[in-house]
Amino acid sequence: GQQLNQSPQSMFIQEGEDVSMNCTSSSIFNTWLWYKQDPGEGPVLLIALYKAGELTSNGRLTAQFGITRKDSFLNISASIPSDVGIYFCAGRFSNTGNQFYFGTGTSLTVIP
Amino acid sequence: NAGVTQTPKFQVLKTGQSMTLQCAQDMNHNSMYWYRQDPGMGLRLIYYSASEGTTDKGEVPNGYNVSRLNKREFSLRLESAAPSQTSVYFCASSPGPLNTEAFFGQGTRLTVV
Repeated sequence: GQQLNQSPQSMFIQEGEDVSMNCTSSSIFNTWLWYKQDPGEGPVLLIALYKAGELTSNGRLTAQFGITRKDSFLNISASIPSDVGIYFCAGRFSNTGNQFYFGTGTSLTVIP
Repeated sequence: NAGVTQTPKFQVLKTGQSMTLQCAQDMNHNSMYWYRQDPGMGLRLIYYSASEGTTDKGEVPNGYNVSRLNKREFSLRLESAAPSQTSVYFCASSPGPLNTEAFFGQGTRLTVV
């Protein structure tokens, strides 16, 4: 299967700090997604990206589709305690395909 | 709103036993998916159903079978459970195969001893 490398693996930050995480692939993707998973729950879609260079925001979250189409970035500004969770990237080769490949996740802990 | 409902939430099986994981969605979605989540591996697609009446293999289909019973329900069957199938299983649905807005259930934590 495809390898999506997410970094960092875990983060411990103070409330109010900004957060940056990224995802890199060995293959070119046409779609990038970012999900958040709370403990005991399924992942919830945060942001979807469809074009190289695209920058999309969802509240305090901003994600970018890398120019090389092999990477994507997620930033969270002014973190709050409810941002705690695991963040996953996911990519898809083709807009006609069904299969998304998921990264290994970034675990975020926000210290009040 | 129920969304995607999975049963059971927890299950312990002995090696060689069989079981079926149930999934139902009430959003009138056409496409449904089964993933497994293992530590350090992210989510991996087992099988999917792009629409009622069709099923296709994903990345890790070996040891599993699926049935798209109707538009609402998509079940995952383990015929002879193995310890390597210990995992958290997630069902998801989306309006269509091209639609990226997939909604996930709460997961089934399966342990095979």
